[in-house]
Amino acid sequence: DIVLTQSPATLSVTPGESVSLSCRASQGISTSIHWYQQKSNESPRLLIKYASQSISGIPSRFSGSGSGTDFTLSINRVESEDFSVYYCQQTYSLPFTFGSGTKLEIK
Amino acid sequence: QVTLKESDPGILQPSQTLSLTCTFSGFSLSTYGVGVGWIRQPSGKGLEWLANIWWDDDKYYNPSLKNRLTISKDTSNNQAFLKITNVDTADTATYYCARIDGYFDYWGQGVMVTVSS
Repeated sequence: DIVLTQSPATLSVTPGESVSLSCRASQGISTSIHWYQQKSNESPRLLIKYASQSISGIPSRFSGSGSGTDFTLSINRVESEDFSVYYCQQTYSLPFTFGSGTKLEIK
Repeated sequence: QVTLKESDPGILQPSQTLSLTCTFSGFSLSTYGVGVGWIRQPSGKGLEWLANIWWDDDKYYNPSLKNRLTISKDTSNNQAFLKITNVDTADTATYYCARIDGYFDYWGQGVMVTVSS
């Protein structure tokens, strides 16, 4: 199984800061990585598909990059509504796997 | 508009079978490339993929639970189903169904399933 390691587990930031969240795969997965945001007591929401492709309706401050084993979700100037948990997921091979998540919290 | 909703199975006792229904609208499970997946999340923990079913009835299961899972669909009624046999307290979680179009692009609201004696 492909293991996705997200870091850091928790990121404390002040609104207005820009941040980068990391997701590292245990083997090369091309760009078959997707990012989700999950707010408290809500379902996950797709933010970025295939490492860097934007999703309609998602604010442009969210962007993704990377290929192979190292991927990054960037948030340009964090807003109050962005404080939540972020997961990466790979669909390169079955079983599909998720990272353990990065919690973005207010400093 | 794509929507999905999971049925509420109520509280289960250990060793029972969990039966979940995902009723969806806005897409068809007969469309090439489309599928429905099931994912679960224990309270306060991360996401675990369980199973997928595709437009052509292809099915894939998480090997860690494979012997206990059965996924199926009713294309005519826009529903997908998941059964988990011999449940245990470790199966207590929120269960989500989601549409697959290369990735999970639309999710249901989730249903909390409790296994308790």
